Amino acid sequence: GNSVTQMEGPVTLSEEAFLTINCTYTATGYPSLFWYVQYPGEGLQLLLKATKADDKGSNKGFEATYRKETTSFHLEKGSVQVSDSAVYFCALRDSSYKLIFGSGTRLLVRP
Amino acid sequence: SQTIHQWPATLVQPVGSPLSLECTVEGTSNPNLYWYRQAAGRGLQLLFYSVGIGQISSEVPQNLSASRPQDRQFILSSKKLLLSDSGFYLCAWSVLRPDEQFFGPGTRLTVL
Repeated sequence: GNSVTQMEGPVTLSEEAFLTINCTYTATGYPSLFWYVQYPGEGLQLLLKATKADDKGSNKGFEATYRKETTSFHLEKGSVQVSDSAVYFCALRDSSYKLIFGSGTRLLVRP
Repeated sequence: SQTIHQWPATLVQPVGSPLSLECTVEGTSNPNLYWYRQAAGRGLQLLFYSVGIGQISSEVPQNLSASRPQDRQFILSSKKLLLSDSGFYLCAWSVLRPDEQFFGPGTRLTVL
């Protein structure tokens, strides 16, 4: 079946460091891919998305590129801020209505 | 613009008590509606989804049930809570052919 695998957290970085959170997926067909962010005590917000191979989603300095050949959608940011501390979820949507989420990666950014 | 509401925000209930969590969506018609649970330190698990009034699909067998009495109202219920029902419950909606889902603020349930 379809699945999403994310790197284990927490990821702890200093402010202005480079961020990579790895995400790989298993799916039949051509799923849409998403990154959601959850700030403490809140629901999930869509951070970025990509709907076909080689698309790059970007928002708030975050980027992720849909790599079909490696079935990956890694999240990157060149310079993280303390306010980026949150849990990040990678997800895919296949031909059904449902989203399939990874287990989430907690990011802690220290001043 | 569309908004999604959930209440209550937090809830502490004894084992064996009933549960009712409510989710409503404003600003859209015929949404797909979803209930997820997020256990502590874990990812999201889809519990139920609905594509229309009275139409509920269950993803995992469990102690919970869902109902959709109105187009933009989605209710999560239990007759008798278990300790394992504790978690953060999230409601979400999407359009008919969804490209993304929009999440509510969540309800944190603690069963003691």
